[in-house]
Amino acid sequence: DAGVIQSPRHEVTEMGQEVTLRCKPISGHDYLFWYRQTMMRGLELLIYFNNNVPIDDSGMPEDRFSAKMPNASFSTLKIQPSEPRDSAVYFCASGPGKSNTQYFGPGTRLTVL
Amino acid sequence: AQKITQTQPGMFVQEKEAVTLDCTYDTSDQSYGLFWYKQPSSGEMIFLIYQGSYDEQNATEGRYSLNFQKARKSANLVISASQLGDSAMYFCAMREVNGNQFYFGTGTSLTVIP
Repeated sequence: DAGVIQSPRHEVTEMGQEVTLRCKPISGHDYLFWYRQTMMRGLELLIYFNNNVPIDDSGMPEDRFSAKMPNASFSTLKIQPSEPRDSAVYFCASGPGKSNTQYFGPGTRLTVL
Repeated sequence: AQKITQTQPGMFVQEKEAVTLDCTYDTSDQSYGLFWYKQPSSGEMIFLIYQGSYDEQNATEGRYSLNFQKARKSANLVISASQLGDSAMYFCAMREVNGNQFYFGTGTSLTVIP
């Protein structure tokens, strides 16, 4: 079975540009999570969805960040405009509600110059 | 207060020895889950083991076991017979079922010495 798929794996962009990160969760999983990992702040939960509905977005740093889940097999995290401090690895994870376990994608390494 | 505390930023263990990675948690919920993840230098996050708050027995998965002490609110990971490939960051995490909240610790870096 395919795991969580994220694209792109690496993204380098210039400050002020729009960045869109994509995630395809494991089929059948009803939870989807977006995390950001940096050396300074560790692993931060940004937002999570249950059955495509955003449940908690309190971790989204500011209005420049937005996330959508238009259907059960696709989610996006958008940063507009991007800033150098957004440079991080962004993970998407999915999980079946009953087991509580989250399965992580390979991550997207974002560098904003 | 920190929800998940990992007090060991770095640990070393001799190959083939056992090692315990500490994790304490803070919750007032009765229903919660505890997890451990491994993050090797390649960057991916790998699920290792899960313990439910109502589980009577400690969870085990191969060489991994979770030493669950509910009264102490600790969920230590024990790795037996360490291998060089166990060198990685290890994260403890918790899900509070009622509040539907998820928390990760700051991680412990484990180095296995040949």
